Amino acid sequence: EIVLTQSPGTLSLSPGERATLSCRASQSISSNYLAWYQRKPGQAPRIVMYGISSRATGIPDRFSGSGSGTDFTLTISRLEPEDFAVYYCQQYDTAPLTFGGGTKVEIK
Amino acid sequence: QLVESGGGLVQPGGSLKLSCAASGATVSDSTIHWVRQASGKGLEWVGQIRSNTNSYATAYAESVKGRFTISRDDSKNTAFLQMNSLKTEDTAVYYCTRLPYGDYGGGWFDPWGQGTLVTVSS
Repeated sequence: EIVLTQSPGTLSLSPGERATLSCRASQSISSNYLAWYQRKPGQAPRIVMYGISSRATGIPDRFSGSGSGTDFTLTISRLEPEDFAVYYCQQYDTAPLTFGGGTKVEIK
Repeated sequence: QLVESGGGLVQPGGSLKLSCAASGATVSDSTIHWVRQASGKGLEWVGQIRSNTNSYATAYAESVKGRFTISRDDSKNTAFLQMNSLKTEDTAVYYCTRLPYGDYGGGWFDPWGQGTLVTVSS
């Protein structure tokens, strides 16, 4: 199975700063089949990005996704208070579907 | 909207059946997935069921294969997760979710239910 490793585990930033989240795959994801989810305490995960760089409905343009092969990045250009959460990447290129361990973006 | 129910406390070796009820839109033409999250751990895909068009084909994670069974009742817009021979390591919040763009098996998920807690303990 494809193992996804997210880094860093925790990102401590202030509102207005830029957040860069990494997701590295143990083997190449060949079909752009990578997604990102946002998870806030007590809430269900919410899709943020799919197909590496396509923003989901309602996601502001301060969120962007990039990467290819085994290295992927979710960038939040200017953190807003509502962006502080845990973010998970997920690959849907190869069964079984797998998720990364998550990156917590916390207020510094 | 997806709403899970049926979670609770069960002893090791026991069984539990979770439900996932959809409202607001039919999910009969979508692949339904179950995903779980143990406390302090990441998300783990559990399994999926495809639509009638694809013969309700199912697939499971190795960790639950042979113990868990996913089914669906399209007349009730509901999916189910039957969990047998439960182990302490199955303790987690269980979410149902679906592909928002049809019945393609694997994919990205939207929306997710709020989850239901399953605790396996003696």
